Amino acid sequence: GENVEQHPSTLSVQEGDSAVIKCTYSDSASNYFPWYKQELGKRPQLIIDIRSNVGEKKDQRIAVTLNKTAKHFSLHITETQPEDSAVYFCAVILTGGGNKLTFGTGTQLKVEL
Amino acid sequence: DAGVIQSPRHEVTEMGQEVTLRCKPISGHDYLFWYRQTMMRGLELLIYFNNNVPIDDSGMPEDRFSAKMPNASFSTLKIQPSEPRDSAVYFCAGGSSYNEQFFGPGTRLTVL
Repeated sequence: GENVEQHPSTLSVQEGDSAVIKCTYSDSASNYFPWYKQELGKRPQLIIDIRSNVGEKKDQRIAVTLNKTAKHFSLHITETQPEDSAVYFCAVILTGGGNKLTFGTGTQLKVEL
Repeated sequence: DAGVIQSPRHEVTEMGQEVTLRCKPISGHDYLFWYRQTMMRGLELLIYFNNNVPIDDSGMPEDRFSAKMPNASFSTLKIQPSEPRDSAVYFCAGGSSYNEQFFGPGTRLTVL
């Protein structure tokens, strides 16, 4: 089955700095890569996603890049703010191949003032 | 639109008791997913339905777990008998395609 590794497990940055979280996956046929943000005690919420036919996608301060050859994708948050503090999960879907959604282990991001 | 609704939000029960978790998806969403989240195992997909039909239940941990979706607006996840290791947050999520998944608020289950 699909294997997703996420790094780092914890990340601490100063307000205004950038944060980068990386995920690698094993199945080269995977074709959809969402990122979820989960605040303490709350539900995971989709913040951005990318499909395998696109290399980069941006939404204001958030961007995701995908390297299909290397089988990794990354979440980039610029100009971090305290409200960005949360756990971020990457996920991988192999649509048409059982539709299994596999989550990474999560990254605890802390934005310090 | 109230979003995905789950009940109860918190459940505390004793080992051996039956537990039923409930989910009402967003109207029009024909995919429904059940997840379990723990510190040790992270987010795990247990089962998902498409148009009320179970498609993949390979994530269901054992026969003590069962899930049903009798109609498009309601699903249940049942654990019988419950065990302390079942303690977790259980999320229901829905979407109008497999890629879209909107999570409910979750049910925090504690089995003593």
